[in-house]
Amino acid sequence: NAGVTQTPKFQVLKTGQSMTLQCAQDMNHEYMSWYRQDPGMGLRLIHYSVGAGITDQGEVPNGYNVSRSTTEDFPLRLLSAAPSQTSVYFCASSYRGQTNTGELFFGEGSRLTVL
Amino acid sequence: SQQGEEDPQALSIQEGENATMNCSYKTSINNLQWYRQNSGRGLVHLILIRSNEREKHSGRLRVTLDTSKKSSSLLITASRAADTASYFCATDGNDYKLSFGAGTTVTVRA
Repeated sequence: NAGVTQTPKFQVLKTGQSMTLQCAQDMNHEYMSWYRQDPGMGLRLIHYSVGAGITDQGEVPNGYNVSRSTTEDFPLRLLSAAPSQTSVYFCASSYRGQTNTGELFFGEGSRLTVL
Repeated sequence: SQQGEEDPQALSIQEGENATMNCSYKTSINNLQWYRQNSGRGLVHLILIRSNEREKHSGRLRVTLDTSKKSSSLLITASRAADTASYFCATDGNDYKLSFGAGTTVTVRA
């Protein structure tokens, strides 16, 4: 069972470069989300999606774009990388409730360094 | 801003002892969840307690929820070396934005 798969696991970028972090889930989950984790700050929500074709902003959306063209995939795009975006990024998915997220299944993370 | 705040930030215990950590939050919730994260890995869901529940058990885990005080606790009984990890509470409101605290780092000494 693959669950939630994130690629790449590690990436080094230069300031100003763009890239896409990939996330795929094989559990037919409606809900998908992206978090970033920084030391001492826990996880902060970047963007989320409650179904194909629907996305919305989380707590820290600036500098990131998402799209949800299929149920399975939820890529995160960094438009012009900045050193402040150095972080560990986690994708997570769930069977959402009517108004709530429910239990999240996480990927193993993508570690991004911006020089 | 983060909804949940864990206390303590770090905890060191001997194998076989119990570990207790607390979570406080600010606004109303649909449910509260606890997650574990081993070093360098993704988060793993441990337990979910709904706003109308007061206590829940899962194996060696016991979670309580006091909505009047906006607080929750996670108790790990008879700890093992494999319990060494960071533990996060997450509050699930009616807005699809699961909000995590900064976590409690638990070290279990052999």
